[in-house]
Amino acid sequence: AQTVTQSQPEMSVQEAETVTLSCTYDTSESDYYLFWYKQPPSRQMILVIRQEAYKQQNATENRFSVNFQKAAKSFSLKISDSQLGDAAMYFCAFMRANSKLTFGKGITLSVRP
Amino acid sequence: NAGVMQNPRHLVRRRGQEARLRCSPMKGHSHVYWYRQLPEEGLKFMVYLQKENIIDESGMPKERFSAEFPKEGPSILRIQQVVRGDSAAYFCASSGRGTGVQETQYFGPGTRLLVL
Repeated sequence: AQTVTQSQPEMSVQEAETVTLSCTYDTSESDYYLFWYKQPPSRQMILVIRQEAYKQQNATENRFSVNFQKAAKSFSLKISDSQLGDAAMYFCAFMRANSKLTFGKGITLSVRP
Repeated sequence: NAGVMQNPRHLVRRRGQEARLRCSPMKGHSHVYWYRQLPEEGLKFMVYLQKENIIDESGMPKERFSAEFPKEGPSILRIQQVVRGDSAAYFCASSGRGTGVQETQYFGPGTRLLVL
């Protein structure tokens, strides 16, 4: 069974600064996907970024980028130039091909103006 | 609206009643997943369906819960004889066929179920 661990329950960042959210996972699979989802107060689950395990290049989406370390089973999310709208719960998730998502417990990110 | 749709957004039931939650996947998507989020927790997988087939129901409670995705119409998550512990947010996600980017799951806004 796969597990996803987000050990930091909450973090805070100053507006315009950079913050990194940590995530580790455990699996025996070699082909899989990793995701970060954002859940703002509206509770809608919004896809932030996606990484295929077979790709060595780290995914980037505008101000969001990941540091994917496959051997270490680590998948951290970096948010650059933090904005007030980034304040939310962030979930790391693992998925085998055509299968369910396994989520971490999430981290609450607050952004200080 | 091309996104995943869920209704109702909020549902209040008394103990012992039935709850029916509906999910219409994104246009072109044929895979539907249901997840449950208890207060202050992450999402937990319940069931994965394709049209007229249950692919994985390993996360579904053995009793009172059922799901379907008929050939026509939305996917339905049904909870019979609800209890207070069923109070949660229920999310539906959908994805397309094939591999790669088509497998990304996109979520609906969720249904908040409150059992009195």
